Amino acid sequence: EDQVTQSPEALRLQEGESSSLNCSYTVSGLRGLFWYRQDPGKGPEFLFTLYSAGEEKEKERLKATLTKKESFLHITAPKPEDSATYLCAVQGAYNQGGKLIFGQGTELSVKP
Amino acid sequence: GAGVSQSPSNKVTEKGKDVELRCDPISGHTALYWYRQSLGQGLEFLIYFQGNSAPDKSGLPSDRFSAERTGGSVSTLTIQRTQQEDSAVYLCASSLVRTAKNIQYFGAGTRLSVL
Repeated sequence: EDQVTQSPEALRLQEGESSSLNCSYTVSGLRGLFWYRQDPGKGPEFLFTLYSAGEEKEKERLKATLTKKESFLHITAPKPEDSATYLCAVQGAYNQGGKLIFGQGTELSVKP
Repeated sequence: GAGVSQSPSNKVTEKGKDVELRCDPISGHTALYWYRQSLGQGLEFLIYFQGNSAPDKSGLPSDRFSAERTGGSVSTLTIQRTQQEDSAVYLCASSLVRTAKNIQYFGAGTRLSVL
């Protein structure tokens, strides 16, 4: 069964304090791993998709990396506006229709 | 439209009543998904539509839940005889194609509260 586990559940950082969020997954053939950002009262907003081990993608202060077992979302010098819940999801090769399997999310809080 | 649109944004209903939730996907997107996000839980897949193919209903939690997609565009999720455990945020997503690289774009969701 495809499964995604994110850690930590919550992370509190000071502005400028870099850190990483972890997403561990088990899937029968990975089609893609997705990172989303979700603000309170809103739907998930797409950030990155990674398809193969060794792949990396960057956007502003965020960098996502992928291995065969996990993905990391690195946040460099975060700002208060980076505060949100970050969701990781996988799409398995044998998933009908490309549905996403989500982790529980990491709630990030960045204090000024 | 510019993004996925869902209505209503909030719905309060009494236990036992039926509710309908609407999703208007991004124009031209052929795939449409419904997910449920309960308090303290991750997003849970409910149902998927792709073009004229039979929908994947494997995530629907009970036969009280049903969904349809008319004309390959707007979708309605119906919950009959609502129960308190149905209280959650119901999210709709759409994507351009059902391929390995399809990216799902989400609406803001409908927050359902069953009293």
